[in-house]
Amino acid sequence: DAGVIQSPRHEVTEMGQEVTLRCKPISGHDYLFWYRQTMMRGLELLIYFNNNVPIDDSGMPEDRFSAKMPNASFSTLKIQPSEPRDSAVYFCASSMMRNQETQYFGPGTRLLVL
Amino acid sequence: AQSVAQPEDQVNVAEGNPLTVKCTYSVSGNPYLFWYVQYPNRGLQFLLKYITGDNLVKGSYGFEAEFNKSQTSFHLKKPSALVSDSALYFCAVREGPGNTPLVFGKGTRLSVIA
Repeated sequence: DAGVIQSPRHEVTEMGQEVTLRCKPISGHDYLFWYRQTMMRGLELLIYFNNNVPIDDSGMPEDRFSAKMPNASFSTLKIQPSEPRDSAVYFCASSMMRNQETQYFGPGTRLLVL
Repeated sequence: AQSVAQPEDQVNVAEGNPLTVKCTYSVSGNPYLFWYVQYPNRGLQFLLKYITGDNLVKGSYGFEAEFNKSQTSFHLKKPSALVSDSALYFCAVREGPGNTPLVFGKGTRLSVIA
């Protein structure tokens, strides 16, 4: 198995631009999580899905952030418009329903907003 | 609400010496406890977990952790540290059973010095 796949690995954009981060979870996993990691705030859960349905998006910082999971093998996290304070590493993780605690993380997308 | 604390931002240890990375938690019910490790420019990797049973849990790469209910702690230990153990270590907790997501600590950076 290829593991959780994220793209792009690095993204540099200018303030005000739209940013779309992509994630392909491990096949057969029922849960998908989006996290943000910064030096100041550590690892924050933004939103998670179960069977493609958003369960809890209370961690999404603002309306500028949105996430979708149109099918079991694909999810996106969109920031529109982006701001410099959105600069962080964004991780996607997935897990199986019966073993939901053991999450498998992707390599992350390092986002820099200038 | 569940929470986890890692009181040390940084732990330094000489190669060959035992290492301990501390974690304390707070949950209303039964805790499910986890340790994850993050190597540079990588996503988090699962190390070990405690759900129930023996208080001493053994995990990957020779790591172990001891669940102490009276002290609400779940410290990570290894008898003999390797330089390759240098990484960022995260403790996580959730209240089980159920479907609540993991809550991660801020992480402890371990440096093993040759």
